[in-house]
Amino acid sequence: DTAVSQTPKYLVTQMGNDKSIKCEQNLGHDTMYWYKQDSKKFLKIMFSYNNKELIINETVPNRFSPKSPDKAHLNLHINSLELGDSAVYFCASSQYGGAARTGELFFGEGSRLTVL
Amino acid sequence: AQTVTQSQPEMSVQEAETVTLSCTYDTSESDYYLFWYKQPPSRQMILVIRQEAYKQQNATENRFSVNFQKAAKSFSLKISDSQLGDAAMYFCAYRSANTGNQFYFGTGTSLTVIP
Repeated sequence: DTAVSQTPKYLVTQMGNDKSIKCEQNLGHDTMYWYKQDSKKFLKIMFSYNNKELIINETVPNRFSPKSPDKAHLNLHINSLELGDSAVYFCASSQYGGAARTGELFFGEGSRLTVL
Repeated sequence: AQTVTQSQPEMSVQEAETVTLSCTYDTSESDYYLFWYKQPPSRQMILVIRQEAYKQQNATENRFSVNFQKAAKSFSLKISDSQLGDAAMYFCAYRSANTGNQFYFGTGTSLTVIP
């Protein structure tokens, strides 16, 4: 069973299009994240949700909109895609609160977005 | 915000030899977690090892061990008996135990294993 799964794994699209990436975790964690990894491999936090509430919202263009319908799901929608949005987007989860907290981040396999 | 510094963008090691990747961090907190993640060409981020700051004993996982120096704010990763499959990007990461959900990552070290 995949702990953190995201789909699709690859997206190739034209500038100006809109795309979504879905993420689901079956670990029972209370916190989920979106990270962007650029071509230099830098990992940059974009958003974080704790129990469906947005708690981290870094300086990201408002073309990026996260949505968390429940604490096991965190989706990312991107409007009006630009060339600079090409990157690998990672979903991740962790347990922050309670006795079950172990500290580490569990990552999905990443979604490689290519904007042409 | 805390910062995590990996001063070695690239490292190489001969197969079967030992290599140490360095990581330093800046924090005023006393309770936190430190991690090393491995990212092979498959791009999956894999947890290699974790250290809780309140534990004085250095964490070990098979051929991977850390040298945690809390006063010096240093957290290096030692890979013994290096294997070809160890070739990857390695990221050091910090997380506060008390003050939030934020993880802070270093810029990564690319490790090459020479046959």
